[in-house]
Amino acid sequence: DVKVTQSSRYLVKRTGEKVFLECVQDMDHENMFWYRQDPGLGLRLIYFSYDVKMKEKGDIPEGYSVSREKKERFSLILESASTNQTSMYLCASKQGSEKLFFGSGTQLSVL
Amino acid sequence: AQRVTQPEKLLSVFKGAPVELKCNYSYSGSPELFWYVQYSRQRLQLLLRHISRESIKGFTADLNKGETSFHLKKPFAQEEDSAMYYCAPQGGSYIPTFGRGTSLIVHP
Repeated sequence: DVKVTQSSRYLVKRTGEKVFLECVQDMDHENMFWYRQDPGLGLRLIYFSYDVKMKEKGDIPEGYSVSREKKERFSLILESASTNQTSMYLCASKQGSEKLFFGSGTQLSVL
Repeated sequence: AQRVTQPEKLLSVFKGAPVELKCNYSYSGSPELFWYVQYSRQRLQLLLRHISRESIKGFTADLNKGETSFHLKKPFAQEEDSAMYYCAPQGGSYIPTFGRGTSLIVHP
């Protein structure tokens, strides 16, 4: 079974801190995604990646950046965390047209 | 622009009642349709994919291209069906677009 692992389940950070969220998948998937999940807003795509060192902006990229140096790892970076970035962050991966496999999520609180 | 609408934020039914979770989409071309589900304290997972025509946990979904809808149905709801459900069309770029989700609560 595909495993998508997010390094932290809960994170608490202060406003202005640089935050790294890590995601690793073990099935050699080409495509990886970062979403944020907020009540009433569903899942909104932040960034995605088709391949190593490739990245594309999603619907809400402002305030975020990503890094994909290795195929299995996709990192989300908050350059200067703000309170409106408090959210559940979900990483996902897939191959081609197939279904998404999700990580268990990171609940980030920015104080 | 691609758009997915799940009009019900919350759907509350009693055990044994029929359930229909609505999904309407606006997409160029012919997207592939998915439903994902998130049970309490579990990760999001695939519930149903139109192309495979599988019925998972008793759920089915019919694609109506004329109305651009992909409503999820189950004839007799169970308490364990209580969860958050997301409709997610996927176009030629293979990037899914998610609806805002419907929270289904099934009362005993």
